[in-house]
Amino acid sequence: KAGVTQTPRYLIKTRGQQVTLSCSPISGHRSVSWYQQTPGQGLQFLFEYFSETQRNKGNFPGRFSGRQFSNSRSEMNVSTLELGDSALYLCASSLSPTEGGYTFGSGTRLTVV
Amino acid sequence: QKEVEQNSGPLSVPEGAIASLNCTYSDRGSQSFFWYRQYSGKSPELIMFIYSNGDKEDGRFTAQLNKASQYVSLLIRDSQPSDSATYLCAVKESGTASKLTFGTGTRLQVTL
Repeated sequence: KAGVTQTPRYLIKTRGQQVTLSCSPISGHRSVSWYQQTPGQGLQFLFEYFSETQRNKGNFPGRFSGRQFSNSRSEMNVSTLELGDSALYLCASSLSPTEGGYTFGSGTRLTVV
Repeated sequence: QKEVEQNSGPLSVPEGAIASLNCTYSDRGSQSFFWYRQYSGKSPELIMFIYSNGDKEDGRFTAQLNKASQYVSLLIRDSQPSDSATYLCAVKESGTASKLTFGTGTRLQVTL
């Protein structure tokens, strides 16, 4: 079956712009989490959605937001981009917040210039 | 601040040897533990997860958990050059929380 699909794979944006990233989980998976990965900080938790509700949020500014749709697909948005937002953004899905491991998508590489 | 600690490496082992990767965590309430493998330029790939004290084996991989010592490890038997990657330890706290806290990873190099 298809894995976790993230689009786009690569993005280049200018400081001050906003960006929307998309994630389609594995069929049947209803929990979607987002992570930011940078060389200096490693993998940092952004937020998690289950049944269209944000259940958990990491320590990121309000410029980072997300949502989940009824078909479990999720989007995250970053407004007023800063150079430090350049990172690999990873989406992971699981059956539910309490079941099993999390499968990651290939990620979106965001570069802010 | 809940932390997950790993030695960054690189850990170098010869082909065919056993690689031992270690991870400690600070939150005693942690209930689920995961090992991910990440090749350079790729996303993390789930190798194993373990919930109970003791050993869990899957092919060449064995995860070991000691909750009293707050320690989890991954053994890779008969290491192959294709095992060369960064191995990430991740911990999920108890209850309904679903956030994974990751270590910074250990880079493994399997030499010929």
